[in-house]
Amino acid sequence: SQKIEQNSEALNIQEGKTATLTCNYTNYSPAYLQWYRQDPGRGPVFLLLIRENEKEKRKERLKVTFDTTLKQSLFHITASQPADSATYLCALDPTTDSWGKLQFGAGTQVVVTP
Amino acid sequence: DAGVIQSPRHEVTEMGQEVTLRCKPISGHNSLFWYRQTMMRGLELLIYFNNNVPIDDSGMPEDRFSAKMPNASFSTLKIQPSEPRDSAVYFCASSGLRGLAGGPFGTDTQYFGPGTRLTVL
Repeated sequence: SQKIEQNSEALNIQEGKTATLTCNYTNYSPAYLQWYRQDPGRGPVFLLLIRENEKEKRKERLKVTFDTTLKQSLFHITASQPADSATYLCALDPTTDSWGKLQFGAGTQVVVTP
Repeated sequence: DAGVIQSPRHEVTEMGQEVTLRCKPISGHNSLFWYRQTMMRGLELLIYFNNNVPIDDSGMPEDRFSAKMPNASFSTLKIQPSEPRDSAVYFCASSGLRGLAGGPFGTDTQYFGPGTRLTVL
């Protein structure tokens, strides 16, 4: 069966350090992978998209890597701040018909302490 | 831009009652998605539409659930009759995905509404 796995345990990190989150998938060959941020009581918000032919993507303090051989994406928050505390979800299209359907991982909660 | 609008934000109802959740997608977006989120199962896709046509409803849990999109600016998700296990947060999302004549990749990102927290007693 198709699976998307993210660290289930919350990641507690000190302000200024780099947070690294993992997204592993099985039985997929996605053309791209997306990362979203979700704050309590709100809907997910898109952060980054990385395509299968891209090894790395950056946006401000965020960096995403995509290894299609390992079937893994890493999401990095550098110089983390308390405002980065949230749950981060990875998502990919489990189909080949390109309708934009997304399957989400369970998410990893990040807690940044001052 | 107002973003995706959902109503109501909170709904408390008794088992057996009909519940209707509403969504207004971002103007110009032609794809609409309904999700359900619970602690146990995470974010699950229930159904999605493209150009007001249902494309995939395989995520709809039972016949008690139905969804419609009568026009490009409005969609409803109905549960009849509701059960306590339907309690969850329901999200609507929209994207500017190209339709049948579109390109090979559905890479448009999804914009989520604030959700409706449903409690069935």
